[in-house]
Amino acid sequence: RKEVEQDPGPFNVPEGATVAFNCTYSNSASQSFFWYRQDCRKEPKLLMSVYSSGNEDGRFTAQLNRASQYISLLIRDSKLSDSATYLCVVNRVGADGLTFGKGTHLIIQP
Amino acid sequence: EAQVTQNPRYLITVTGKKLTVTCSQNMNHEYMSWYRQDPGLGLRQIYYSMNVEVTDKGDVPEGYKVSRKEKRNFPLILESPSPNQTSLYFCASSLSGSSPLHFGNGTRLTVT
Repeated sequence: RKEVEQDPGPFNVPEGATVAFNCTYSNSASQSFFWYRQDCRKEPKLLMSVYSSGNEDGRFTAQLNRASQYISLLIRDSKLSDSATYLCVVNRVGADGLTFGKGTHLIIQP
Repeated sequence: EAQVTQNPRYLITVTGKKLTVTCSQNMNHEYMSWYRQDPGLGLRQIYYSMNVEVTDKGDVPEGYKVSRKEKRNFPLILESPSPNQTSLYFCASSLSGSSPLHFGNGTRLTVT
């Protein structure tokens, strides 16, 4: 099982819809989880950290399911500007640093 | 403004010609790291540094060198670049190895 796995998509979603995607991680001892957003050919930018109790930031909600070892990202009322690649990130266990998933490509259509 | 600065943004070079990509951060971060990003392979870590004079290999260190003589700088050195090192490179820094990373805006390297 890969350390961090994501459905690559693309997810084609109409503007205004709600979209959700998951990410699974392999090591149950992982403690830090993040979602990053990356626009084409640009640097990844932190979208939000993911906390055990789940957390919300405006239209974005992140959740962690430790039992099943996955994190999720929900985007409500999607905007054209939400089109991007979303990267799931998990800390390495037994080593320093973060492991990035390959990303889920989201396209919001007018 | 808190930032990670990489230079150059674009670089075209020939096989075997040594090059250095610079990276500097102004956030007093302990941790710095280099990644390369290739289509279908995602972000892969090349080297990282926990502090001054402390560096370690990531997942794909072959063909690269780094140094951390000062806290703010973490240059990436390609002693003898080859075409398979053509890629988009990102430098990043954070407070610690498990904290969110702040990325530079990338260096697109082409080796012919």
